[in-house]
Amino acid sequence: ETGVTQTPRHLVMGMTNKKSLKCEQHLGHNAMYWYKQSAKKPLELMFVYSLEERVENNSVPSRFSPECPNSSHLFLHLHTLQPEDSALYLCASSRLGTGAYEQYFGPGTRLTVT
Amino acid sequence: SQQGEEDPQALSIQEGENATMNCSYKTSINNLQWYRQNSGRGLVHLILIRSNEREKHSGRLRVTLDTSKKSSSLLITASRAADTASYFCATDTSQGAQKLVFGQGTRLTINP
Repeated sequence: ETGVTQTPRHLVMGMTNKKSLKCEQHLGHNAMYWYKQSAKKPLELMFVYSLEERVENNSVPSRFSPECPNSSHLFLHLHTLQPEDSALYLCASSRLGTGAYEQYFGPGTRLTVT
Repeated sequence: SQQGEEDPQALSIQEGENATMNCSYKTSINNLQWYRQNSGRGLVHLILIRSNEREKHSGRLRVTLDTSKKSSSLLITASRAADTASYFCATDTSQGAQKLVFGQGTRLTINP
């Protein structure tokens, strides 16, 4: 266990559905991240939250909407997804500061869009 | 754009042998990190090496960094079947909240 949990672990949704992915970290970190991992592609950084403020949005389509209500929780709201959005979605957290810190990852949500 | 590129893409060795994976990157970095991922699971941090460091050890792991060549290597000594996983390097060029850029990874298989 890394101290980062994600729910659900598996999700199958139709293209017209609305669902949300949840991430929670129990490490006292102040930065949280969403990544997308597709087959045969490098891990892609989607969103970065620093002290609950979004500081990065890597040209992610608007059908993905993140929310960070506090430093321990991160959500990814999904709507009108496409089949190519099927992937493993990983959440991570880290400390903040001028130093260099590792990221702690959750187990991921395996998303299948039908 | 992809920053880190691992080499080889796949590596298969016998248990007990050493495994070496390489990572090359393109721009100046603050630090470089290695992660491991078991199939379909989250990533686990292995080692972080800062740009002013040349070598770090952690148990059976040894990481080197050559900033002049923009490359890093991960050596796993006395490999075990449990080391079978994908290994990724990630470069960090940011301040404050990290914006890690990952490579494609090396798929390591340890044969018993």
